[in-house]
Amino acid sequence: AQKITQTQPGMFVQEKEAVTLDCTYDTSDPSYGLFWYKQPSSGEMIFLIYQGSYDQQNATEGRYSLNFQKARKSANLVISASQLGDSAMYFCAMREANDYKLSFGAGTTVTVRA
Amino acid sequence: SQTIHQWPATLVQPVGSPLSLECTVEGTSNPNLYWYRQAAGRGLQLLFYSVGIGQISSEVPQNLSASRPQDRQFILSSKKLLLSDSGFYLCAWSVRTAGNTEAFFGQGTRLTVV
Repeated sequence: AQKITQTQPGMFVQEKEAVTLDCTYDTSDPSYGLFWYKQPSSGEMIFLIYQGSYDQQNATEGRYSLNFQKARKSANLVISASQLGDSAMYFCAMREANDYKLSFGAGTTVTVRA
Repeated sequence: SQTIHQWPATLVQPVGSPLSLECTVEGTSNPNLYWYRQAAGRGLQLLFYSVGIGQISSEVPQNLSASRPQDRQFILSSKKLLLSDSGFYLCAWSVRTAGNTEAFFGQGTRLTVV
């Protein structure tokens, strides 16, 4: 069964504006990790940010922040002050504590307009 | 520092031909290793993962197999390629502990079966 859901196949955002990418997940394990990756057109997978299920605060890394709502099982990525170089596909992923598998969502394509 | 090497970057193979993609990791020991496949514009599908030499877990029944002959070497193989095997193949590694460690990806192999 699909554990990671990204419902936005594509999004457009104006340069310098913020964009929120949705991610919901499903797990019965109380301990898990959530990850976001960026994949530019070159194909490489770039790790952006991590949120642990027991973390009390939302994770932040530079212009990236994670809006973690545990009860709703959502882990939305917020990119602030969008830049042209942010145009890429973005993937949400999850790994449960008792599992070595890292499962990915279908991804969201972000296009930043000048 | 740790690095992951994956080759070749691009491959065009005829239907029915064999396949061997190799991935090696440097600078770490006992990593978890992963093979993913990505169809054009789509998400990452986990094919195989390994937690140790000779230990392979298969996620999707298919025309492919994987082997881990050495601690930091992961090989994806096929005896006879199908058209449906075309895609972007990504190798990844993570620290042995599950849960809160991100995966690091190779540059990928773009396979076209003709």
